[in-house]
Amino acid sequence: KAGVTQTPRYLIKTRGQQVTLSCSPISGHRSVSWYQQTPGQGLQFLFEYFSETQRNKGNFPGRFSGRQFSNSRSEMNVSTLELGDSALYLCASSPRDSTEAFFGQGTRLTVV
Amino acid sequence: LAKTTQPISMDSYEGQEVNITCSHNNIATNDYITWYQQFPSQGPRFIIQGYKTKVTNEVASLFIPADRKSSTLSLPRVSLSDTAVYYCLVGDMNNNAGNMLTFGGGTRLMVKP
Repeated sequence: KAGVTQTPRYLIKTRGQQVTLSCSPISGHRSVSWYQQTPGQGLQFLFEYFSETQRNKGNFPGRFSGRQFSNSRSEMNVSTLELGDSALYLCASSPRDSTEAFFGQGTRLTVV
Repeated sequence: LAKTTQPISMDSYEGQEVNITCSHNNIATNDYITWYQQFPSQGPRFIIQGYKTKVTNEVASLFIPADRKSSTLSLPRVSLSDTAVYYCLVGDMNNNAGNMLTFGGGTRLMVKP
């Protein structure tokens, strides 16, 4: 069974640009969550989608958004990038309301 | 969400048993305790989950006392490849609010030869 797939693995963007990251969950998993990991703030929850609806949102500015498609694949978008958005962005999928989440390898975003 | 407290770092040697303790004084009745492992530049990986007493799987054991205000992750006979950050999480598995994991600072385990 394929794991959670995130693309791209690495990305370099310039301040002010926008970026879209993609996540394909494990087949059958309908819940997809996104996290940001930085050395200073650790792992922080961004948002979670279930059946194309955002169910939870973390404490991030509106520049961070996401969506989920009917096949459960999810994308997150960050607009007007700032240097502080440089981080490892992780996607996780779950088969049900559970604390057992399956994480992808992440996308390493560098903003210059 | 119950907050967790765990040591920032621990050192061990290959072949030793490692015990990492996590405090969660405000754990709620419906909360489960879950541990994740993370290697550098990878996503966290689920290790073990429990509600009370003891849970064991092929990777680790989880000990939870009767008051559930703390838990101990036990890794038997660690190897160099167990060097990672270990996170203790507490959350309500039965809530319908979705999968919103709250990670603390984790414990950085260094296994030495």
